[in-house]
Amino acid sequence: EDQVTQSPEALRLQEGESSSLNCSYTVSGLRGLFWYRQDPGKGPEFLFTLYSAGEEKEKERLKATLTKKESFLHITAPKPEDSATYLCAVEGSGGGADGLTFGKGTHLIIQP
Amino acid sequence: EPEVTQTPSHQVTQMGQEVILRCVPISNHLYFYWYRQILGQKVEFLVSFYNNEISEKSEIFDDQFSVERPDGSNFTLKIRSTKLEDSAMYFCASSPSGGRGNSPLHFGNGTRLTVT
Repeated sequence: EDQVTQSPEALRLQEGESSSLNCSYTVSGLRGLFWYRQDPGKGPEFLFTLYSAGEEKEKERLKATLTKKESFLHITAPKPEDSATYLCAVEGSGGGADGLTFGKGTHLIIQP
Repeated sequence: EPEVTQTPSHQVTQMGQEVILRCVPISNHLYFYWYRQILGQKVEFLVSFYNNEISEKSEIFDDQFSVERPDGSNFTLKIRSTKLEDSAMYFCASSPSGGRGNSPLHFGNGTRLTVT
């Protein structure tokens, strides 16, 4: 069974204070690891897909990295508008009918 | 930018009633999904749909649930005989090619279902 654990559950930062969010996963044959952003009352919004260890992707102040056991979402000099819940999800090739397996997310608050 | 739209945004129903949640996926997408998120819990996969049939479903998606694409634009989730524990946010998603490659799932903003 695929599993995703995200930490911390919540993180409060000052504007401009860089940090990283962690996503640990176990999956049978990783097809892809996905990062989504979710704002209150909204659906998840796609950020990145990572496929293999060593891969990195960037978008504005966000950079996602991947190892064989975990992924990090690095946020550099965040702004208040980066406040959201960040979700990590995996898709495996183990044959289970599970679609994407999501973590519970990290609730990020950026204070001005 | 095209988006997935869901209606209604909030549905209140009594236990035992049937509800239909509606979704209009992005027009050139071929794969459709339903996920749910119980308050404070993870987003959970329910079902995927391709070529007018279910391609995958989770253990949650039992006989109480059904999906349909009644025309070329709508995708519906029907929940029969609703239970209190069906209260959740239900998200519809679509993808051009099954969510693999550079074609991730695009989610709607959800329908909040409250069963009383």
